[in-house]
Amino acid sequence: DTEVTQTPKHLVMGMTNKKSLKCEQHMGHRAMYWYKQKAKKPPELMFVYSYEKLSINESVPSRFSPECPNSSLLNLHLHALQPEDSALYLCASKDRVLWNTEAFFGQGTRLTVV
Amino acid sequence: DQQVKQNSPSLSVQEGRISILNCDYTNSMFDYFLWYKKYPAEGPTFLISISSIKDKNEDGRFTVFLNKSAKHLSLHIVPSQPGDSAVYFCAASTNAGKSTFGDGTTLTVKP
Repeated sequence: DTEVTQTPKHLVMGMTNKKSLKCEQHMGHRAMYWYKQKAKKPPELMFVYSYEKLSINESVPSRFSPECPNSSLLNLHLHALQPEDSALYLCASKDRVLWNTEAFFGQGTRLTVV
Repeated sequence: DQQVKQNSPSLSVQEGRISILNCDYTNSMFDYFLWYKKYPAEGPTFLISISSIKDKNEDGRFTVFLNKSAKHLSLHIVPSQPGDSAVYFCAASTNAGKSTFGDGTTLTVKP
């Protein structure tokens, strides 16, 4: 199993809503990532979890709250988002947080904030 | 300050010919470089990588060349196939484990 599964694939939410994005992998990877990608732009790193602990937070606003309940799951809790937060949110995993390994990406969640 | 740049937003080649995608970087701390391919409505998938101690890595139809002095790398695809049509992202990593992506190049291979 070399898949990273993200749910939901599409999400529309109002600015006062609370929602969560989910990511799951069963490759035994111990590093998991959230990226944000706007149209015609590269993926931008948001958070990195290593061995279920948050190791990198790229100064992301607090309306985005990550959670890693176990080594297979990664959540991104959303609250009071703004329309400019609309983007494709990608989850990725790596064997470990090492520089010389490739990341496996999920298909992404297309988020629209209205 | 964009540390990884792909200056060609798009590239069109004929099936069977060579595709050359270019990438430039500015941060000399980068020491591992990767290429990812992305189809619409899918996440990026890993294609090929190269360590800074090498200048070439080959995998089937795909070859990546690294010129450290010029801070430049390129991806060669030969022969190009219509199924290669996708967006190609160059990424560079430091030993802290963070990857920085370029803006991507959309490759179109015409039959």
